[in-house]
Amino acid sequence: GENVEQHPSTLSVQEGDSAVIKCTYSDSASNYFPWYKQELGKRPQLIIDIRSNVGEKKDQRIAVTLNKTAKHFSLHITETQPEDSAVYFCAASSSNTGKLIFGQGTTLQVKP
Amino acid sequence: KAGVTQTPRYLIKTRGQQVTLSCSPISGHRSVSWYQQTPGQGLQFLFEYFSETQRNKGNFPGRFSGRQFSNSRSEMNVSTLELGDSALYLCASTPGREGNNEQFFGPGTRLTVL
Repeated sequence: GENVEQHPSTLSVQEGDSAVIKCTYSDSASNYFPWYKQELGKRPQLIIDIRSNVGEKKDQRIAVTLNKTAKHFSLHITETQPEDSAVYFCAASSSNTGKLIFGQGTTLQVKP
Repeated sequence: KAGVTQTPRYLIKTRGQQVTLSCSPISGHRSVSWYQQTPGQGLQFLFEYFSETQRNKGNFPGRFSGRQFSNSRSEMNVSTLELGDSALYLCASTPGREGNNEQFFGPGTRLTVL
């Protein structure tokens, strides 16, 4: 069935370091891969996404890479700041449906 | 544009009762999806409605149901509540058009079943 595996479950970095979160999906039909940031007590916020016709996308300190052959996609955050501390979720979806399959989440802690 | 809104924000029910949650999507969005978020299971897809029709369904029992109105507002209903239904219920809206499936979440409804 459809499944998204996300690693690591927790990640602690020093301010200014980089953070990488990796996800693997199972459904070959998946072609849309968003990343969400959820702060404590708040709703998930879309921070970046990538479609299957693109291998990499960057937005300031955040980048996402996609390897369709291996069914892997990753989130890269450079120059981390304490306000980057949150839970990050990857997700996968196919076609134009509103069905997102989420990874288990990664709790990122950025130490000042 | 106003964001996705959900009502109520908090709800306390007892086992066996039923509950109805409401979601108003971003203006112009025709697709509404519902998710259950729990510490143990993470974010799980419940169902998606598009143009008043259920377009996708997750692996939840029939006690969980939903509907969508002509103005795209959506409701979900849970009957015969169980303790395990305690969760944050999130809805998300998207335009629903081909190639445009960015989902924007509402603040959620925190349901506690006693």
